[in-house]
Amino acid sequence: GAGVSQTPSNKVTEKGKYVELRCDPISGHTALYWYRQSLGQGPEFLIYFQGTGAADDSGLPNDRFFAVRPEGSVSTLKIQRTERGDSAVYLCASSSAGGRVYNEQFFGPGTRLTVL
Amino acid sequence: AQSVTQLGSHVSVSEGALVLLRCNYSSSVPPYLFWYVQYPNQGLQLLLKYTSAATLVKGINGFEAEFKKSETSFHLTKPSAHMSDAAEYFCAVSDPGAQKLVFGQGTRLTINP
Repeated sequence: GAGVSQTPSNKVTEKGKYVELRCDPISGHTALYWYRQSLGQGPEFLIYFQGTGAADDSGLPNDRFFAVRPEGSVSTLKIQRTERGDSAVYLCASSSAGGRVYNEQFFGPGTRLTVL
Repeated sequence: AQSVTQLGSHVSVSEGALVLLRCNYSSSVPPYLFWYVQYPNQGLQLLLKYTSAATLVKGINGFEAEFKKSETSFHLTKPSAHMSDAAEYFCAVSDPGAQKLVFGQGTRLTINP
């Protein structure tokens, strides 16, 4: 079956521009996560959705970062006024449920963002 | 706050030798612990997880890990390395009450023929 997909696979932009990164979770998965992986580092949590609402956005680094999931499926991570320090691989994951029971997070291949 | 430390950013072993990747964690509550593998240009794949059941956990591809509360460790082992094991390995911790994963910085495993 189809896994988590992310588009685009690569995005090159200029400092100060706005970008949108898209995540298509596994069909039926209610929980969706965004992580950021900088070069040589492990992934860092950004935000977690349960359905349409952001259940935990404690990892968003500042107000330039915003994410939505309006219909509880596809999610878009939006970055305004990009900075060179935003360059990283942005990973999306989905799982079948949230709450207090752990459900495996399935990761997409990521979007590599380069800010020139 | 939870944290994960992976000892050794690079580990190199010979094919057929024992693989040992070290992970220590810090958590204020009994944690859930995970090992993920990342092959080049691919997404993270779950190798195994500890969620408060048996302390010795077996995963895919012959890997296993043992949760040792007294040592706050969750080291990953495989008795005999295969060339296909070459990849980046990440240890992660989660608070059972939360959903987010906190990852270590990763260990790149190289297998020498």
